[in-house]
Amino acid sequence: AQTVTQSQPEMSVQEAETVTLSCTYDTSENNYYLFWYKQPPSRQMILVIRQEAYKQQNATENRFSVNFQKAAKSFSLKISDSQLGDTAMYFCVKARSNYQLIWGAGTKLIIKP
Amino acid sequence: EAQVTQNPRYLITVTGKKLTVTCSQNMNHEYMSWYRQDPGLGLRQIYYSMNVEVTDKGDVPEGYKVSRKEKRNFPLILESPSPNQTSLYFCASSLIGEKLFFGSGTQLSVL
Repeated sequence: AQTVTQSQPEMSVQEAETVTLSCTYDTSENNYYLFWYKQPPSRQMILVIRQEAYKQQNATENRFSVNFQKAAKSFSLKISDSQLGDTAMYFCVKARSNYQLIWGAGTKLIIKP
Repeated sequence: EAQVTQNPRYLITVTGKKLTVTCSQNMNHEYMSWYRQDPGLGLRQIYYSMNVEVTDKGDVPEGYKVSRKEKRNFPLILESPSPNQTSLYFCASSLIGEKLFFGSGTQLSVL
């Protein structure tokens, strides 16, 4: 079975620092999608960023950017100028070509004031 | 307002008593799916559907049923719930390959 691995169960940084969350996955497919979702304590699921595997350019959304290394099967999320509101669980997700979704176990990110 | 409506928010039941969790979306999305979320395991996909009358198993389909008779609705059915199905459940929908819209979740406890 395909897997998505988030090797950092928990991380904490000071407000305004930059933090990088790691994600690796296994796949034999060439076309697929990758996502980062954020789940704050409210348990609402929020899309942070989306990447299409056939696009070489790394996706960015304001303070959030990814480092997508297709050959290495790596999809890390960088959060710049971290804010207290970034405190949440972060999930890395891979969508297979049949659109079955595989979720990582999550990284709990704590931003300290 | 574009949304996924999932009910109920909380449900306590007993082993073996059939139950249904409803999910409805008003965005004309082709794709709908169900997940369970357990501590330390992230979300695991139970079933998903690419369109009406098309459903596929996810990672953990055992003990669950779904149907997609209409595009907007995708109910999750537990014919004979067991305590190991105690979990937080989410329904979600999207256009294919695009952002998922999630319901507010159902916290299920099976005694």
